[in-house]
Amino acid sequence: KAGVTQTPRYLIKTRGQQVTLSCSPISGHRSVSWYQQTPGQGLQFLFEYFSETQRNKGNFPGRFSGRQFSNSRSEMNVSTLELGDSALYLCASSQGQGSYNEQFFGPGTRLTVL
Amino acid sequence: DQQVKQNSPSLSVQEGRISILNCDYTNSMFDYFLWYKKYPAEGPTFLISISSIKDKNEDGRFTVFLNKSAKHLSLHIVPSQPGDSAVYFCAASDFKTSGTYKYIFGTGTRLKVLA
Repeated sequence: KAGVTQTPRYLIKTRGQQVTLSCSPISGHRSVSWYQQTPGQGLQFLFEYFSETQRNKGNFPGRFSGRQFSNSRSEMNVSTLELGDSALYLCASSQGQGSYNEQFFGPGTRLTVL
Repeated sequence: DQQVKQNSPSLSVQEGRISILNCDYTNSMFDYFLWYKKYPAEGPTFLISISSIKDKNEDGRFTVFLNKSAKHLSLHIVPSQPGDSAVYFCAASDFKTSGTYKYIFGTGTRLKVLA
C-alpha cells in the first residue's frame, strides 16, 4: 500500500506570494490533517478534513486555508506569505472514523520564504 | 498554552541501555496518546499508542506507560540501538469527548544512542 505523498518536497517563495501544497492520503483513508513544524515548536495542528469537510481548525490566521477533494486528496494554501511561514508542512492521513486512529505522515514539504 | 509538554529537548543513552522519554499533559480530557519517531527529512513514523483505559502497552522493545493521575506518560526503549537515534514526539487527543481526530503534539525529544 502506498504511503502518504506530498508535493512538492521543497519550495522557495518570496514574501507576499502565495503557495499551494498537495497531499495524497493512503488509499482508503478519508481524513487528512495538516501540521506546521518549526524548530522548537513541535508540530502545530493546522486543520483536519474528512469527506471534503473541515472538521477541526488550529490557531492559525486566515491566510492558511485548505480543502479536500472527493478522492480524499487535500491541498493547503497560504496566501501573502511571511518570513515566519518558513517551516516543514506535514500532512497526515487516517481512516478518520470509528474509534482511535493512528495518523500516518507524509515526508513533508519544506517551504522557505525569502 | 502548551497542552502537551516534553521538557527534555535531548537525551543521550549508551547502546544496550534503557532510554526513557517523558511527556506531560494538562488536559484531563485527553484519552488517546501516541508516540512518533522522526528522522531528518522524513515525516514522523507512528511507534506505539495507548488509550486512557490502560496504563501500559508494549510492542517489542517499546513500552509506553500512562499515569493518568499525574498526567504523565513515558516511552521506554529497551535495549536502545544506534538506529533509535531520532526525534521522538508524543501526541494526545480527546477523541471520546470531541469525536474528532485533532492531535496535539509535544515539542519533541532528540534521542542519541551512543555506540
